Amino acid sequence: AQSVTQLGSHVSVSEGALVLLRCNYSSSVPPYLFWYVQYPNQGLQLLLKYTTGATLVKGINGFEAEFKKSETSFHLTKPSAHMSDAAEYFCAVSDGRNQGGKLIFGQGTELSVKP
Amino acid sequence: KAGVTQTPRYLIKTRGQQVTLSCSPISGHRSVSWYQQTPGQGLQFLFEYFSETQRNKGNFPGRFSGRQFSNSRSEMNVSTLELGDSALYLCASSLSGSGIAGGTEAFFGQGTRLTVV
Repeated sequence: AQSVTQLGSHVSVSEGALVLLRCNYSSSVPPYLFWYVQYPNQGLQLLLKYTTGATLVKGINGFEAEFKKSETSFHLTKPSAHMSDAAEYFCAVSDGRNQGGKLIFGQGTELSVKP
Repeated sequence: KAGVTQTPRYLIKTRGQQVTLSCSPISGHRSVSWYQQTPGQGLQFLFEYFSETQRNKGNFPGRFSGRQFSNSRSEMNVSTLELGDSALYLCASSLSGSGIAGGTEAFFGQGTRLTVV
C-alpha cells in the first residue's frame, strides 16, 4: 500500500526566506509524485509532478522538488518566499502502473509567510 | 478554456436526507475522480470514472455512489446523510485514458461544501 507523510502541519517563514516543505512516501512500486497547493475555499492546483526521468522537478511559481529514491522523499522548496505563497500544500503519490489509479494525499502543510 | 465546474458550491442538508453533487469536467477530459476533504481525515479518494465506467473505488460505504454520463459529466450521490459526511467534496478531471496514474495532470474544481445538520 502507498502512503504519504508530510512533516509539519504548520510551517512559518519570513518573506524572502527559503521555503522547505517535507514529504516522505511509501510505495512498493515506482511512484508518481505530485505537489498541490490549495488556497482558502479553492480547489487544488498542481505545482509540479515527478513521473520518470530527471529527479529535480521545476514547477510553477518558482517551486521545485527533488525525488530521492534512497530517502523515499520528495521535498518541496522555493528559494525566496512571497506573501502570496501562504496556502496549504499537499504532497500526493499514485501508483503509475494502476491505470486510473487514485491519488493518496498527505495530511497537508499550512504555510504562513510573515512580512 | 473553462475549468472544472462543480455545482452547487454550498449545500446544507439534514441528517437522513440524500444529496447529489455535480461535476462538469474540462471539455475533452474523460476521467473524473471524486475526493472528500475533511479536517480530520484530510483528502480521501472516493471513486474514479472513465468513459461512464467506474474504474477505481476508495474505502467508503455504499451510501456513497457515483455515475458518469456520455458527455463525461459526473454526479455523486450520498444517501442517508450523517453528520460525519460534512466535508468539501472535490472533483478532478484529467485528459488521458491513464488518468492521474499515468502522470497526467488532474485539474480540480473549487468543490462543493456540504454541511449536514
